[in-house]
Amino acid sequence: AQSVTQLGSHVSVSEGALVLLRCNYSSSVPPYLFWYVQYPNQGLQLLLKYTTGATLVKGINGFEAEFKKSETSFHLTKPSAHMSDAAEYFCAVSLIAGGTSYGKLTFGQGTILTVHP
Amino acid sequence: DTAVSQTPKYLVTQMGNDKSIKCEQNLGHDTMYWYKQDSKKFLKIMFSYNNKELIINETVPNRFSPKSPDKAHLNLHINSLELGDSAVYFCASSQFGNTIYFGEGSWLTVV
Repeated sequence: AQSVTQLGSHVSVSEGALVLLRCNYSSSVPPYLFWYVQYPNQGLQLLLKYTTGATLVKGINGFEAEFKKSETSFHLTKPSAHMSDAAEYFCAVSLIAGGTSYGKLTFGQGTILTVHP
Repeated sequence: DTAVSQTPKYLVTQMGNDKSIKCEQNLGHDTMYWYKQDSKKFLKIMFSYNNKELIINETVPNRFSPKSPDKAHLNLHINSLELGDSAVYFCASSQFGNTIYFGEGSWLTVV
């Protein structure tokens, strides 16, 4: 079974500061990893994903994440926060089974990002 | 064009009622899902259909019944609604084994 832990339910940064949202996962097999963003009263939008290959993945809106197998982590970063980044961010893991993901995403509990002027 | 669309977006209903949420995707995907987000924002899968066949059925009360008339549609019917069913229900789709795309969500409030 897989699980996801997001360290810090709330993160607050100043506009222009580095954003770091932490995600650790547990999986018995190599996982697919995802970050989704949810703006208030809206659906989930995919930011980025890691499947195989390059461990540093770039996503939309200037976000990137690095898959570190030895640390079982997939932290999300952005060099400079914008006010528009304020939202809730979810890390998720999906199993690869026989080379095929069954599409069952297991989510972390979410991190609310607040950006101060 | 909306990729994954679900209706209604907001639904307020009384305990004991039966309600349905409809979902349609125009991405040509072969797999569709229902996820539930509870009041603490925790997201969990409920059901998954691949080519109209049920492939994931998590521990969900049998008051919840998904129906997939074709690959592009996955509806969720809920019987005898309870207060605890209040949540946001997200429909999603993917090409099997690939990235999952979510709809905008349906906010269900049971009073």
